[in-house]
Amino acid sequence: QQQVKQSPQSLIVQKGGIPIINCAYENTAFDYFPWYQQFPGKGPALLIAIRPDVSEKKEGRFTISFNKSAKQFSLHIMDSQPGDSATYFCAALETGANNLFFGTGTRLTVIP
Amino acid sequence: DAGVIQSPRHEVTEMGQEVTLRCKPISGHNSLFWYRQTMMRGLELLIYFNNNVPIDDSGMPEDRFSAKMPNASFSTLKIQPSEPRDSAVYFCASSYDRVTYNSPLHFGNGTRLTVT
Repeated sequence: QQQVKQSPQSLIVQKGGIPIINCAYENTAFDYFPWYQQFPGKGPALLIAIRPDVSEKKEGRFTISFNKSAKQFSLHIMDSQPGDSATYFCAALETGANNLFFGTGTRLTVIP
Repeated sequence: DAGVIQSPRHEVTEMGQEVTLRCKPISGHNSLFWYRQTMMRGLELLIYFNNNVPIDDSGMPEDRFSAKMPNASFSTLKIQPSEPRDSAVYFCASSYDRVTYNSPLHFGNGTRLTVT
């Protein structure tokens, strides 16, 4: 059973657009929600993360929106650039547990 | 810091052969993880070490898989004998302590394994 459900599977936007990637979870014990960015041939790299005590976290052009009651969180990329083309993974972890559960990934393509 | 270092980057082997993947975690990190990435199953945790001790190996698919961490700066993942369905990208990752907001997970660039 997929602990974190991610959508869409792929996304194509024009340069300057605002792609939005969504994730949902059921385990209310999850309390750490990172997003990872992966380029071809590279390992996933931590992009931004949030804890459930805040509803939004912004770092540069990347923003996480978190809805605790709906058990959903999303990644927004402002003013997207071709260099943002990559696969994005959401993840969730229960403090004290060992396993960071990953979503299935979203392949983002930003067209110049 | 050089980050998590994995070797080899690519490995092609024949079914039945032994394969050994290597990892050097970030210096000072006490937790080390081995993940496998496939199109079908995504990123799966295979095994987790803390202070060189295996804590959770419930993700290791079969007895053909084994992992060791003889010291704080080196770990191996061994597959013996290898099978075509083991073909995947294997990632090593490390964190300062248990993964938390203040101790995030850092991945290496992976080893792409192809078993023919």
